[in-house]
Amino acid sequence: DQQVKQNSPSLSVQEGRISILNCDYTNSMFDYFLWYKKYPAEGPTFLISISSIKDKNEDGRFTVFLNKSAKHLSLHIVPSQPGDSAVYFCAASAINDKLVFGAGTILRVKS
Amino acid sequence: DSGVTQTPKHLITATGQRVTLRCSPRSGDLSVYWYQQSLDQGLQFLIQYYNGEERAKGNILERFSAQQFPDLHSELNLSSLELGDSALYFCASSVDTGTGNEKLFFGSGTQLSVL
Repeated sequence: DQQVKQNSPSLSVQEGRISILNCDYTNSMFDYFLWYKKYPAEGPTFLISISSIKDKNEDGRFTVFLNKSAKHLSLHIVPSQPGDSAVYFCAASAINDKLVFGAGTILRVKS
Repeated sequence: DSGVTQTPKHLITATGQRVTLRCSPRSGDLSVYWYQQSLDQGLQFLIQYYNGEERAKGNILERFSAQQFPDLHSELNLSSLELGDSALYFCASSVDTGTGNEKLFFGSGTQLSVL
């Protein structure tokens, strides 16, 4: 039962353009959402988060949007840089419950 | 560097064997989590310990067990290994403020290959 789905296994973007990574969830009890980035041979590192009381959170080039009615969130990276090439995991949790991860999306930023 | 240390980085063993994966959490973090990442799969939650006690259990097989010691390091024991157990095993830690909105810090993982 995949509660968090990242339907695009990979995404390729030109340097300087916008990267949009999408994530859908099914559990309406989720109230906290995170994005993690993972480079090869490293563990996932926290990127940005958003709680269900907000619909947008911004941190530099990274913005996460949450659409609760659609049970959808997205990560926007503007402008995209070659160093952003990595696997991006969407994750969600309900209060005091475990973090559930999606399968990840491989982002390739071409220079 | 996340501050979470996992050893060993790589482990190659045979079917039927038993292995132990070790994790040292970030200084001050009381919660330790174990996740498994198989090929093309997301991170599957296995188990969480908080200050020495089991707090949450995910899809962890009965052949797998874990514990958290008084110094807060944790070990994941995998026994009667099968080919399908080959995966990347991550440990993560968090402060666990009790609010439920936990940010996890991950180690670099142990790559287990069962031949």
